[in-house]
Amino acid sequence: AQSVTQLGSHVSVSEGALVLLRCNYSSSVPPYLFWYVQYPNQGLQLLLKYTSAATLVKGINGFEAEFKKSETSFHLTKPSAHMSDAAEYFCAVSDARRGYQKVTFGTGTKLQVIP
Amino acid sequence: DAGVTQSPTHLIKTRGQQVTLRCSPISGHKSVSWYQQVLGQGPQFIFQYYEKEERGRGNFPDRFSARQFPNYSSELNVNALLLGDSALYLCASSLTGTPIYNEQFFGPGTRLTVL
Repeated sequence: AQSVTQLGSHVSVSEGALVLLRCNYSSSVPPYLFWYVQYPNQGLQLLLKYTSAATLVKGINGFEAEFKKSETSFHLTKPSAHMSDAAEYFCAVSDARRGYQKVTFGTGTKLQVIP
Repeated sequence: DAGVTQSPTHLIKTRGQQVTLRCSPISGHKSVSWYQQVLGQGPQFIFQYYEKEERGRGNFPDRFSARQFPNYSSELNVNALLLGDSALYLCASSLTGTPIYNEQFFGPGTRLTVL
């Protein structure tokens, strides 16, 4: 079964500092990976997705993620944190081998941005 | 264009009762997926419906059921509610049920509390 593991349930960074949120995947086939963000009391918004076209994926709000097959990782980064980035971030993997799309989410990482 | 809408926003039920949650997908989207997000965890896949047929089901008991209507809106029903069913229920719509990198658009969710 495909799965993702997010390291660190809580991450704190200072405003303007680098944001690094870690995600490792487990998949027996080439994975299709996503990062979502969830603001309090809201649904999930897609930040970016990896579909094997390019290993470095750029998303919205200045976020990007790099797919590293050798490390089975898909870490999310942003060069400079903004207060508005405070939210919960979910890494996810998509599987359609059974004829439907099943998305499996990680347990999430809450990002705190300190002014 | 309106995004995915869900109703009601909040719901309080007692153990043993039944509940119906509703979702309207983005116009033109034919697939609806349901997820359960327990506090502090990532969303868990419950169902996917495409063209009014169930295409996939996650590891949830038969107390959970759903359907999709001709206008592609969907209802999630949960019978014999348990305390553990307390969660945020998210609906996501997409153009089709596949391919696996198909972007899903999430609604704001329905917060269900079972007392």
